[in-house]
Amino acid sequence: EVQLVESGGGLVQPGGSLRLSCAASGFTFSSYWMHWVRQAPGKGLVWVSRINVDGSSINYADSVKGRFTMSRDNAKNTLYLQMNSLRVEDTAVYYCVRDRYRFDSWGQGTLVIVSS
Amino acid sequence: QSVLIQPPSASGTPGQRVTMSCSGSSSNIGSYTVNWYQQLPGTAPKLLIYSDNQRPSGVPDRFSGSKSGTSASLAISGLQSEDEAEYYCAAWDDSLNGWVFGGGTKLTVL
Repeated sequence: EVQLVESGGGLVQPGGSLRLSCAASGFTFSSYWMHWVRQAPGKGLVWVSRINVDGSSINYADSVKGRFTMSRDNAKNTLYLQMNSLRVEDTAVYYCVRDRYRFDSWGQGTLVIVSS
Repeated sequence: QSVLIQPPSASGTPGQRVTMSCSGSSSNIGSYTVNWYQQLPGTAPKLLIYSDNQRPSGVPDRFSGSKSGTSASLAISGLQSEDEAEYYCAAWDDSLNGWVFGGGTKLTVL
């Protein structure tokens, strides 16, 4: 069974940093592109970033470019999202998502709250 | 404002057929396939339709998708109370070099 388990969310002040992790199991993690998708409270889904199978190609949404860094460790079956210079508008549930030319498996999400 | 445009709400009674739309442009829906996701209250989204009209295993055939030009549609027939959820469309956008979602349609089963 495919499992994606996010962790690392929490409360952080504006301008602060946080690193999210996503532990993958039940499939060959190193064979799949992966994404982060976020959802602000009461709002819709927003794509954040994606990474290819070996981490050599990464794309970001304009809203996070230059502040967020996505990476992966295939030996540990883990996906990361380093979030710096956090803003109030980054407050959201962050989902780790597997890519099979569509988002076919989602984690349960981890909540990030940016507030003073 | 989302890149893909969905009506904010839809409703129907049990047994009815409802449809919801997703409008885009040549840089997304007009060039790439559309996927649909269902998000039940308090849960993570779930893939419902992919490649415009394909259902993953386990998704009832009451759910169907279609696409024409720069618009796509999701239809649900034989509406059930458990279908009450938020529905999102999504597609790759080559102008933005990223995935784009619709704002979501909240389906209410009356």
